[in-house]
Amino acid sequence: EAGVTQSPTHLIKTRGQQVTLRCSPISGHTSVYWYQQALGLGLQFLLWYDEGEERNRGNFPPRFSGRQFPNYSSELNVNALELEDSALYLCASSFSFYEQFFGPGTRLTVL
Amino acid sequence: AQKVTQAQTEISVVEKEDVTLDCVYETRDTTYYLFWYKQPPSGELVFLIRRNSFDEQNEISGRYSWNFQKSTSSFNFTITASQVVDSAVYFCALSDITGTASKLTFGTGTRLQVTL
Repeated sequence: EAGVTQSPTHLIKTRGQQVTLRCSPISGHTSVYWYQQALGLGLQFLLWYDEGEERNRGNFPPRFSGRQFPNYSSELNVNALELEDSALYLCASSFSFYEQFFGPGTRLTVL
Repeated sequence: AQKVTQAQTEISVVEKEDVTLDCVYETRDTTYYLFWYKQPPSGELVFLIRRNSFDEQNEISGRYSWNFQKSTSSFNFTITASQVVDSAVYFCALSDITGTASKLTFGTGTRLQVTL
């Protein structure tokens, strides 16, 4: 069974640009979660999508947004990139309230 | 608000030593889940265990064991006879099951270094 996949693996952007990260959940999982792991800040919850709807978001500005498609895959968009957005962005999927399974992450570097 | 504290930032042990990673949590929920994840250098978080708040039985899986003490709000993780492959960052996490939040609150992680 395929795990959670994320693309791209690495990304380098400059300040002010926009970026889109993609996530495909494990087959059968309807929930997708996004987390940011910035250096020194640990793992921070960003967004939770379930059945196509945004269910909850963490303490991040509105320039962090996303969506979930009918096939349950998801995109995370970050507008007006800032240097502090440099981080590993992890996507996780789950079925109901069970454990979340994580993808390999996308490492974003903002110069 | 939920909070998870992993007071040990970094632990270094020699192979075959036993090591315990501490996790203390705070929540006002009566029903919740606790998790441990392993993050090797590759970056991907690997699920290790889930425990719900009603199940205080300790669990053993091979060299891994977990001690859940609701009275002290702790969920500690012990690796017996550590190996170099155990070197990673270990995260303890907490989740509610009400569905209104359904997010994981992570501790800051403990970096375990196992040397020969």
